[in-house]
Amino acid sequence: EIVMTQSPATLSVSPGERVTLSCRASQSVRSSLAWYQQKPGQAPRLVIYGASTRATGTPARFSGSGSGTEFTLTISSLQSEDFAVYYCQQYSDWPKTFGQGTKVEIK
Amino acid sequence: EVQLLVSGGGLVQPGGSLRLSCAASGFTFSSYAMSWVRQAPGKGLEWVSAIRAGGDFAHSTDSVEGRFTISRDNSKNTLYLQMNSLRAEDTAVYYCAKDTGDFTGNYFDYWGQGILVTVSS
Repeated sequence: EIVMTQSPATLSVSPGERVTLSCRASQSVRSSLAWYQQKPGQAPRLVIYGASTRATGTPARFSGSGSGTEFTLTISSLQSEDFAVYYCQQYSDWPKTFGQGTKVEIK
Repeated sequence: EVQLLVSGGGLVQPGGSLRLSCAASGFTFSSYAMSWVRQAPGKGLEWVSAIRAGGDFAHSTDSVEGRFTISRDNSKNTLYLQMNSLRAEDTAVYYCAKDTGDFTGNYFDYWGQGILVTVSS
């Protein structure tokens, strides 16, 4: 099983700041990496797929990068609606595994 | 508009059974693999099971293998998860999710609203 490790667990940031979330895979997943956003009481929402492609409706302030085992999700200027938990997920191999999540909270 | 409506959750005793349903609309259901993903209270996401678009092949995570069965009825645009021999550690919100293709190498582009399954005496 491919283990996905996200860091940090929590980020305390102010609106307007730039944020970078990290995700590491225990073995190469090529570019088969997705990011999801989850707000309290809601289902996850796809943000990025293919490591760097924004999903439909994802604002341009979100960007993803990386391949192989190291990935990042960057939010260039954090907006109030971006405070949430973000999960990375590899879909290169079974089982499809998620990271433990990074909570982006208001400072 | 893609919609996934999950039903069938609730409270069940350890060792009991429950069947979840996910009614799909807004896309050609029979063309896409579908999955179940769960989230224990206060925890992260865990993929549970997936089924090919035609329903002819399925795969589950080790912890539910032999206890949970995923199935689908393409004539009714509905996905199911039959859960038997339930354990306390199966307590979670269960989401159905639409895959982006047919089975392998897919991520999830739409999610249902989730439903709580509580296993407790």
